[in-house]
Amino acid sequence: NAGVTQTPKFQVLKTGQSMTLQCAQDMNHNSMYWYRQDPGMGLRLIYYSASEGTTDKGEVPNGYNVSRLNKREFSLRLESAAPSQTSVYFCASRETGAPAQFFGPGTRLTVL
Amino acid sequence: SQQGEEDPQALSIQEGENATMNCSYKTSINNLQWYRQNSGRGLVHLILIRSNEREKHSGRLRVTLDTSKKSSSLLITASRAADTASYFCAIPFDGGSQGNLIFGKGTKLSVKP
Repeated sequence: NAGVTQTPKFQVLKTGQSMTLQCAQDMNHNSMYWYRQDPGMGLRLIYYSASEGTTDKGEVPNGYNVSRLNKREFSLRLESAAPSQTSVYFCASRETGAPAQFFGPGTRLTVL
Repeated sequence: SQQGEEDPQALSIQEGENATMNCSYKTSINNLQWYRQNSGRGLVHLILIRSNEREKHSGRLRVTLDTSKKSSSLLITASRAADTASYFCAIPFDGGSQGNLIFGKGTKLSVKP
């Protein structure tokens, strides 16, 4: 099992460019999450999906959109990147009824 | 804010010593989790303690929970260089019905060989 995978690992964008971060899990989990982590900060929840076909806003959703493509995949889209979105982005998944979340390795995004 | 707050922000010890990290929070919770993050990697779940538990062990990890003080501690005994990482506590958000978590800012542990 690969667990939670994320692509790309690194990305540099110019202000105003768009991109999609991909996340996939092979654990058959219903719930998936997108977080961002900034230096000296804990993780902040951007969006989550409790099950296939549903998505909800987290703490910091502005400037992002998500798609739960199927049970395995949950993508995060930046329509018009801003320097404030420079961060490390983590995807996570969770089995229904179990509290622990499983994290991917992260995508390090720099917006110039 | 419900956010857990870890203390200290950074901790440096010698291999073989014990490391203690603390987490305080503000609301009532039904469980608290601890995660580890190695540099440049994703978080890894370490241990969960429920509100009706006072202490829990897993290998060299010992977690305590004091709901009256709204605090938890993570003790790593006989630390190793491989324990060097950041450690985060996480508490359920909005009662935990969606499984969402609020993470603290973490304690950065450095274990010197």
